[in-house]
Amino acid sequence: DSGVTQTPKHLITATGQRVTLRCSPRSGDLSVYWYQQSLDQGLQFLIQYYNGEERAKGNILERFSAQQFPDLHSELNLSSLELGDSALYFCASSQGGWGNTEAFFGQGTRLTVV
Amino acid sequence: GQQLNQSPQSMFIQEGEDVSMNCTSSSIFNTWLWYKQDPGEGPVLLIALYKAGELTSNGRLTAQFGITRKDSFLNISASIPSDVGIYFCVAVDDSWGKLQFGAGTQVVVTP
Repeated sequence: DSGVTQTPKHLITATGQRVTLRCSPRSGDLSVYWYQQSLDQGLQFLIQYYNGEERAKGNILERFSAQQFPDLHSELNLSSLELGDSALYFCASSQGGWGNTEAFFGQGTRLTVV
Repeated sequence: GQQLNQSPQSMFIQEGEDVSMNCTSSSIFNTWLWYKQDPGEGPVLLIALYKAGELTSNGRLTAQFGITRKDSFLNISASIPSDVGIYFCVAVDDSWGKLQFGAGTQVVVTP
């Protein structure tokens, strides 16, 4: 158990809909990362937050947004869903800062858009 | 932008053989991490490297932080069936911990 909790584990929704994925980081971790992994693909970095502020942005679509709340949990919002958005979405957390960048991953949310 | 080149892309080996994989970049990094991912699961941290030249072991796994800080290597000795999975190198380049993933090396172990 990595200590990172993601909910829900599975999500099936229709095209055009909007969903919210939730991530609770490990206790004490300030950094949260979101990754997308499509079938047989590598991990695509979406976005990183550190202590509530956006720190780095990857290949995140405009239809996607994220935030980190004061209690440090994070949510990834996916809207106007398309079939191609079906993927595993992973959240990871780390303490952040020099020498504290070991990131621990949650079990992921498997999103299926039909 | 910065890119990590991880090789090989896949390896098919027999149980008991050693496995080697590496990641290279044109940029300098401060930290190298190695992860393993089982199908449908989240990546699990195997080894973290923080110093150039550092050699660190975790059981049958040994990883090294290249002296130039532009590469890292992972070796698995005496492979067993449960070593099957995808191994990712990750490089960290700033104090905020932005992670850059390699494309992964898929390892298949046959009895």
